[in-house]
Amino acid sequence: SQKIEQNSEALNIQEGKTATLTCNYTNYSPAYLQWYRQDPGRGPVFLLLIRENEKEKRKERLKVTFDTTLKQSLFHITASQPADSATYLCAPLETDSWGKLQFGSGTQVVVTP
Amino acid sequence: GAGVSQSPRYKVAKRGQDVALRCDPISGHVSLFWYQQALGQGPEFLTYFQNEAQLDKSGLPSDRFFAERPEGSVSTLKIQRTQQEDSAVYLCASSLQSGGATSRQPQHFGDGTRLSIL
Repeated sequence: SQKIEQNSEALNIQEGKTATLTCNYTNYSPAYLQWYRQDPGRGPVFLLLIRENEKEKRKERLKVTFDTTLKQSLFHITASQPADSATYLCAPLETDSWGKLQFGSGTQVVVTP
Repeated sequence: GAGVSQSPRYKVAKRGQDVALRCDPISGHVSLFWYQQALGQGPEFLTYFQNEAQLDKSGLPSDRFFAERPEGSVSTLKIQRTQQEDSAVYLCASSLQSGGATSRQPQHFGDGTRLSIL
């Protein structure tokens, strides 16, 4: 069966450091992979989409990589700030999926000053 | 408003009661999705609409769950004879395009309805 694994343990990191989150998937052949941020009591907010033929994508302090051989995406937050504290969700998507998102359980990031 | 709006934000019901949850998507968005999120988990897909057509309802947990979008805009998720296991946050999301292009589109989520069944 299809499975998406994200580190369930919270990632505690000091302000200014780089946070690296992992998303592993099995039994998927995703054409795209999306990353979302979710704050407590709020809905997820879209951050980045990376395509299968893109190795890396950047947006401001965020960087995402996508390795279809390893079946893994890495999400980096550089120069982290306390405002980056949230839960981050990944969602691999296959082309014929109607856009139906299947999420990992998310990784909580806590950035301390 | 500019975003996806869901109401009510909180709903408490007794086991066995029927509930209705409303979603107002972003105006003009063709695709609408419902998700269920349990505490500490990622959202799980329930159903998908393209305009008024319900194209995928494979995630609905039982026949007690019913969703509609009669005019292709506002959607309602109804749960009949609620059970305690229905307690969760119900999220609605919309995206601009439909079909294969939907996979490339960001989904815009509302803040959800937190449903508690006593």
